[in-house]
Amino acid sequence: QLQLQESGPGLVKPSETLSLTCSVSGGPINSNNYYWSWIRQPPGKGLEWIGIISYSGRTSYNPSLKSRVTISADTSKNQFSLKLSSVTAADTAVYYCATQRGSTSWVDPWSQGTLVTVSS
Amino acid sequence: QSALTQPASVSGSPGQSITISCTGASSDVGTYNFVSWFQQHPGKAPKLVIYDVSDRPSGVSNRFSGSKSGNTASLTISGLRAEDEADYYCISFTDSDTWVFGGGTKLTVL
Repeated sequence: QLQLQESGPGLVKPSETLSLTCSVSGGPINSNNYYWSWIRQPPGKGLEWIGIISYSGRTSYNPSLKSRVTISADTSKNQFSLKLSSVTAADTAVYYCATQRGSTSWVDPWSQGTLVTVSS
Repeated sequence: QSALTQPASVSGSPGQSITISCTGASSDVGTYNFVSWFQQHPGKAPKLVIYDVSDRPSGVSNRFSGSKSGNTASLTISGLRAEDEADYYCISFTDSDTWVFGGGTKLTVL
């Protein structure tokens, strides 16, 4: 069964770029009809969908973050990554990676989540 | 895109049923049957409890059910138990080829 584990710095300075990687085990990320998402949750607040990359490499982003977000995949390492540029304190959140399936609203499994704090 | 609208909080007594609404628009909930619900306990990752409006993943209690009417999806939990106390979120696909969450609902079991 699929398992996801994110990795990356827990502290990022304002105006810099937040970079996280999600390592996938239990199946290839280029498996047909699988999609790979990033979702975040500011402390004490609700969930926010950041973006998604498909098994074929097609991406889609939250319009409110689109100008700052890049999601990419490395099939050789079975990983996908998130880059969020020009961060501010408002980007402080627990970041999750998750699996979605095509033609359905199935979102599972999720990673355990990692807190990224934006502070100087 | 605007977040889907959920009540901030709902409550019920053990054994009762509660319903949480998730209101969107014709560009998301109203057009697509791609609506899921998640349960999140404090400090934990969200757990999928309903997908595709009304389907239940294997292992999720049949006390959880989902439905949709027009631009509003609903999650019903019957036979409330103390362990159902958690935050609940809906998500929907949109006609912009993106996904949007609801603001979340805190369920209190009295």
